[in-house]
Amino acid sequence: DAKTTQPPSMDCAEGRAANLPCNHSTISGNEYVYWYRQIHSQGPQYIIHGLKNNETNEMASLIITEDRKSSTLILPHATLRDTAVYYCIAYSSASKIIFGSGTRLSIRP
Amino acid sequence: NAGVTQTPKFRVLKTGQSMTLLCAQDMNHEYMYWYRQDPGMGLRLIHYSVGEGTTAKGEVPDGYNVSRLKKQNFLLGLESAAPSQTSVYFCASSSPPGHIQETQYFGPGTRLLVL
Repeated sequence: DAKTTQPPSMDCAEGRAANLPCNHSTISGNEYVYWYRQIHSQGPQYIIHGLKNNETNEMASLIITEDRKSSTLILPHATLRDTAVYYCIAYSSASKIIFGSGTRLSIRP
Repeated sequence: NAGVTQTPKFRVLKTGQSMTLLCAQDMNHEYMYWYRQDPGMGLRLIHYSVGEGTTAKGEVPDGYNVSRLKKQNFLLGLESAAPSQTSVYFCASSSPPGHIQETQYFGPGTRLLVL
């Protein structure tokens, strides 16, 4: 399964869009890109996933480059409650999921 | 729906003691997983199950055993606890690969301290 690379930390002003990048240059054709987040010490929470096309749901948008080697998670209007560690994962089978260290997102008031 | 629940929430063990962590899900998911998370680290897969009566090893299985006697329950056992097993343990469940939404739903975690 593809290894992903994320910046260790980012910050964003409250009310602005938070754009979290992820590199997955070794992704294979059947691997989906998933984003989860972990708020404080809670269990991770699913945000969004995609294969090729851009995706949007009530929480976020996912932009995947045409070559699928990278993606960006967009939180359109960040709030203090979005402060969390965000994990980008690429996998085709949940039995081989690797979470990595993620990006610690801090939202400034 | 309660989703994924874990018991206990917190436990302190002495080296060499044994214990069982219980995970239960009410979403009729086929797949269940046990992860551990050490401070400042991501989650690492210990064992997983693709259905009732089946289990398989993940990335860090040594020192742990699991059982899936009922579809809704997944047990994680520590036969002889060691300080290196001090961690937060998360259980998760999901639909099988290829399902429309094969996403994982996580429990709240069990914090284990081994002295």
